[in-house]
Amino acid sequence: GAGVSQSPSNKVTEKGKDVELRCDPISGHTALYWYRQSLGQGLEFLIYFQGNSAPDKSGLPSDRFSAERTGGSVSTLTIQRTQQEDSAVYLCASSLGPNTDTQYFGPGTRLTVL
Amino acid sequence: GESVGLHLPTLSVQEGDNSIINCAYSNSASDYFIWYKQESGKGPQFIIDIRSNMDKRQGQRVTVLLNKTVKHLSLQIAATQPGDSAVYFCAENGRLGNQFYFGTGTSLTVIP
Repeated sequence: GAGVSQSPSNKVTEKGKDVELRCDPISGHTALYWYRQSLGQGLEFLIYFQGNSAPDKSGLPSDRFSAERTGGSVSTLTIQRTQQEDSAVYLCASSLGPNTDTQYFGPGTRLTVL
Repeated sequence: GESVGLHLPTLSVQEGDNSIINCAYSNSASDYFIWYKQESGKGPQFIIDIRSNMDKRQGQRVTVLLNKTVKHLSLQIAATQPGDSAVYFCAENGRLGNQFYFGTGTSLTVIP
Protein backbone atom coordinates (compact mmCIF):
# COMPACT_ATOMS: atom_id res chain seq x y z
CA GLY A 1 0.00 0.00 0.00
CA ALA A 2 0.94 3.66 -0.14
CA GLY A 3 3.51 4.83 2.33
CA VAL A 4 4.15 8.23 3.82
CA SER A 5 4.67 10.86 1.17
CA GLN A 6 6.23 14.28 1.47
CA SER A 7 6.43 17.26 -0.81
CA PRO A 8 8.39 18.91 -2.15
CA SER A 9 11.35 16.55 -2.19
CA ASN A 10 13.71 19.49 -2.43
CA LYS A 11 13.21 23.14 -1.56
CA VAL A 12 15.70 25.94 -2.03
CA THR A 13 14.76 29.26 -0.56
CA GLU A 14 16.31 32.57 0.33
CA LYS A 15 16.97 33.61 3.87
CA GLY A 16 13.96 35.39 5.34
CA LYS A 17 11.36 33.65 3.18
CA ASP A 18 8.62 31.41 4.54
CA VAL A 19 8.36 27.76 3.49
CA GLU A 20 5.68 25.11 3.80
CA LEU A 21 6.45 21.42 3.83
CA ARG A 22 3.71 18.85 3.36
CA CYS A 23 3.26 15.35 4.74
CA ASP A 24 0.66 12.78 3.73
CA PRO A 25 0.66 10.00 6.32
CA ILE A 26 -0.42 6.43 5.81
CA SER A 27 -4.19 6.21 5.73
CA GLY A 28 -5.61 5.27 9.11
CA HIS A 29 -2.53 6.25 11.08
CA THR A 30 -3.53 8.45 13.98
CA ALA A 31 -0.06 9.58 15.02
CA LEU A 32 2.14 11.87 12.97
CA TYR A 33 5.66 13.10 13.75
CA TRP A 34 7.95 15.70 12.26
CA TYR A 35 11.72 15.39 12.63
CA ARG A 36 14.68 17.36 11.42
CA GLN A 37 17.89 15.71 10.31
CA SER A 38 21.01 17.76 9.76
CA LEU A 39 23.83 16.39 7.64
CA GLY A 40 25.42 13.36 9.28
CA GLN A 41 23.27 13.70 12.36
CA GLY A 42 20.49 11.80 14.03
CA LEU A 43 16.85 12.75 14.02
CA GLU A 44 15.69 15.72 16.07
CA PHE A 45 12.09 15.53 17.21
CA LEU A 46 10.02 18.58 16.31
CA ILE A 47 6.31 17.96 16.85
CA TYR A 48 3.83 15.14 17.37
CA PHE A 49 0.13 14.87 16.53
CA GLN A 50 -2.10 12.15 17.98
CA GLY A 51 -5.71 11.99 16.90
CA ASN A 52 -7.63 15.04 18.04
CA SER A 53 -5.38 15.73 21.01
CA ALA A 54 -3.39 18.92 21.34
CA PRO A 55 -0.07 18.46 19.55
CA ASP A 56 3.16 18.02 21.45
CA LYS A 57 5.21 20.99 20.26
CA SER A 58 8.04 20.54 22.73
CA GLY A 59 10.63 19.93 20.03
CA LEU A 60 10.04 23.02 17.94
CA PRO A 61 13.29 25.02 18.04
CA SER A 62 11.74 28.48 17.83
CA ASP A 63 8.46 30.29 17.31
CA ARG A 64 9.29 30.53 13.61
CA PHE A 65 8.30 26.87 13.36
CA SER A 66 4.68 25.75 13.40
CA ALA A 67 2.70 22.80 12.15
CA GLU A 68 -0.88 21.91 11.49
CA ARG A 69 -2.68 18.70 10.84
CA THR A 70 -5.99 19.09 9.08
CA GLY A 71 -8.75 16.54 9.42
CA GLY A 72 -6.43 14.15 11.21
CA SER A 73 -4.57 13.42 8.01
CA VAL A 74 -2.35 15.77 6.01
CA SER A 75 0.13 17.87 7.95
CA THR A 76 1.98 21.03 7.01
CA LEU A 77 5.16 22.24 8.68
CA THR A 78 5.72 25.96 8.23
CA ILE A 79 8.98 27.75 8.81
CA GLN A 80 8.76 31.51 8.82
CA ARG A 81 11.64 33.88 8.10
CA THR A 82 13.96 31.01 7.29
CA GLN A 83 17.55 31.12 8.45
CA GLN A 84 20.56 29.28 7.06
CA GLU A 85 20.66 27.05 10.12
CA ASP A 86 17.22 25.75 9.14
CA SER A 87 18.84 23.91 6.24
CA ALA A 88 18.27 20.21 6.84
CA VAL A 89 16.16 17.27 5.77
CA TYR A 90 12.70 17.40 7.30
CA LEU A 91 11.23 13.96 7.83
CA CYS A 92 7.65 13.05 8.55
CA ALA A 93 6.57 9.75 10.08
CA SER A 94 3.23 8.23 10.95
CA SER A 95 2.21 5.35 13.16
CA LEU A 96 -0.98 3.48 13.81
CA GLY A 97 -1.10 4.65 17.40
CA PRO A 98 0.96 6.56 19.93
CA ASN A 99 4.59 6.15 20.76
CA THR A 100 4.49 2.44 21.34
CA ASP A 101 3.92 1.74 17.67
CA THR A 102 6.31 1.55 14.77
CA GLN A 103 6.83 4.77 12.88
CA TYR A 104 6.94 4.72 9.11
CA PHE A 105 8.93 7.49 7.51
CA GLY A 106 8.49 9.47 4.35
CA PRO A 107 11.42 10.24 2.03
CA GLY A 108 11.91 13.68 3.53
CA THR A 109 12.13 17.21 2.19
CA ARG A 110 15.62 18.60 1.75
CA LEU A 111 15.50 22.30 2.63
CA THR A 112 18.34 24.57 1.62
CA VAL A 113 18.31 28.17 2.82
CA LEU A 114 20.67 30.40 0.88
CA GLY B 1 18.09 14.61 29.36
CA GLU B 2 17.55 11.78 26.95
CA SER B 3 20.49 10.33 25.14
CA VAL B 4 20.75 7.45 22.79
CA GLY B 5 24.30 6.87 21.71
CA LEU B 6 26.19 4.53 19.49
CA HIS B 7 29.53 2.97 20.33
CA LEU B 8 30.94 3.12 16.79
CA PRO B 9 30.10 5.80 14.26
CA THR B 10 31.43 3.71 11.34
CA LEU B 11 31.72 0.02 10.65
CA SER B 12 33.22 -1.78 7.69
CA VAL B 13 32.66 -5.48 7.13
CA GLN B 14 33.43 -7.98 4.41
CA GLU B 15 30.54 -9.27 2.40
CA GLY B 16 29.28 -12.47 3.95
CA ASP B 17 30.50 -11.66 7.44
CA ASN B 18 28.19 -10.90 10.34
CA SER B 19 27.77 -7.30 11.51
CA ILE B 20 27.05 -6.08 15.00
CA ILE B 21 25.92 -2.52 15.63
CA ASN B 22 25.65 -1.35 19.21
CA CYS B 23 23.57 1.29 20.92
CA ALA B 24 23.41 2.61 24.47
CA TYR B 25 20.31 4.26 25.85
CA SER B 26 19.88 6.24 29.02
CA ASN B 27 16.21 6.13 29.95
CA SER B 28 15.45 3.06 32.01
CA ALA B 29 11.74 3.77 31.55
CA SER B 30 11.93 3.17 27.80
CA ASP B 31 9.92 0.09 26.91
CA TYR B 32 10.02 0.06 23.14
CA PHE B 33 13.06 0.12 20.87
CA ILE B 34 13.41 0.22 17.12
CA TRP B 35 16.24 -0.19 14.66
CA TYR B 36 16.04 1.79 11.44
CA LYS B 37 18.10 1.65 8.27
CA GLN B 38 18.61 4.80 6.26
CA GLU B 39 20.04 4.72 2.78
CA SER B 40 21.41 7.82 1.18
CA GLY B 41 18.68 10.23 0.16
CA LYS B 42 15.90 8.21 1.73
CA GLY B 43 13.93 8.28 4.94
CA PRO B 44 14.64 5.77 7.71
CA GLN B 45 13.21 2.32 7.09
CA PHE B 46 11.98 0.09 9.89
CA ILE B 47 14.09 -3.03 10.36
CA ILE B 48 13.09 -4.62 13.62
CA ASP B 49 11.72 -3.69 17.01
CA ILE B 50 11.72 -5.08 20.50
CA ARG B 51 9.75 -4.40 23.62
CA SER B 52 11.23 -4.34 27.08
CA ASN B 53 9.60 -7.61 28.11
CA MET B 54 11.92 -9.41 25.69
CA ASP B 55 15.69 -9.68 25.45
CA LYS B 56 15.98 -11.05 21.95
CA ARG B 57 14.01 -10.90 18.76
CA GLN B 58 14.86 -12.33 15.39
CA GLY B 59 13.87 -11.31 11.92
CA GLN B 60 15.10 -12.23 8.50
CA ARG B 61 18.91 -12.09 8.79
CA VAL B 62 18.62 -9.62 11.66
CA THR B 63 18.55 -10.09 15.41
CA VAL B 64 18.05 -7.45 18.07
CA LEU B 65 19.34 -8.00 21.57
CA LEU B 66 18.24 -5.94 24.54
CA ASN B 67 20.14 -5.82 27.81
CA LYS B 68 18.10 -3.74 30.22
CA THR B 69 20.60 -4.16 33.02
CA VAL B 70 23.22 -2.11 31.21
CA LYS B 71 20.77 -0.29 28.92
CA HIS B 72 22.32 -1.66 25.77
CA LEU B 73 20.79 -2.57 22.44
CA SER B 74 22.46 -4.30 19.54
CA LEU B 75 21.59 -5.18 15.99
CA GLN B 76 23.14 -8.24 14.41
CA ILE B 77 23.05 -8.70 10.68
CA ALA B 78 23.91 -12.16 9.40
CA ALA B 79 25.75 -12.73 6.14
CA THR B 80 26.04 -9.02 5.43
CA GLN B 81 25.38 -8.03 1.83
CA PRO B 82 26.33 -4.90 -0.15
CA GLY B 83 22.70 -3.81 0.01
CA ASP B 84 23.05 -3.60 3.78
CA SER B 85 25.36 -0.60 3.42
CA ALA B 86 23.53 2.28 5.09
CA VAL B 87 23.31 4.26 8.29
CA TYR B 88 21.62 2.40 11.12
CA PHE B 89 19.78 4.20 13.91
CA CYS B 90 18.44 2.90 17.16
CA ALA B 91 15.51 4.65 18.79
CA GLU B 92 13.79 4.45 22.17
CA ASN B 93 10.40 5.73 23.14
CA GLY B 94 11.42 7.21 26.46
CA ARG B 95 7.97 6.60 27.98
CA LEU B 96 7.87 10.23 29.07
CA GLY B 97 5.76 12.07 26.57
CA ASN B 98 5.51 11.42 22.91
CA GLN B 99 9.02 11.55 21.65
CA PHE B 100 11.16 8.87 20.16
CA TYR B 101 14.84 9.47 20.77
CA PHE B 102 17.23 8.56 18.02
CA GLY B 103 20.94 7.94 18.15
CA THR B 104 23.37 9.66 15.81
CA GLY B 105 23.66 6.56 13.66
CA THR B 106 26.31 4.05 12.62
CA SER B 107 27.45 4.00 9.04
CA LEU B 108 27.84 0.43 7.82
CA THR B 109 29.95 -0.20 4.73
CA VAL B 110 30.00 -3.65 3.22
CA ILE B 111 33.14 -4.45 1.28
CA PRO B 112 32.51 -6.78 -1.68
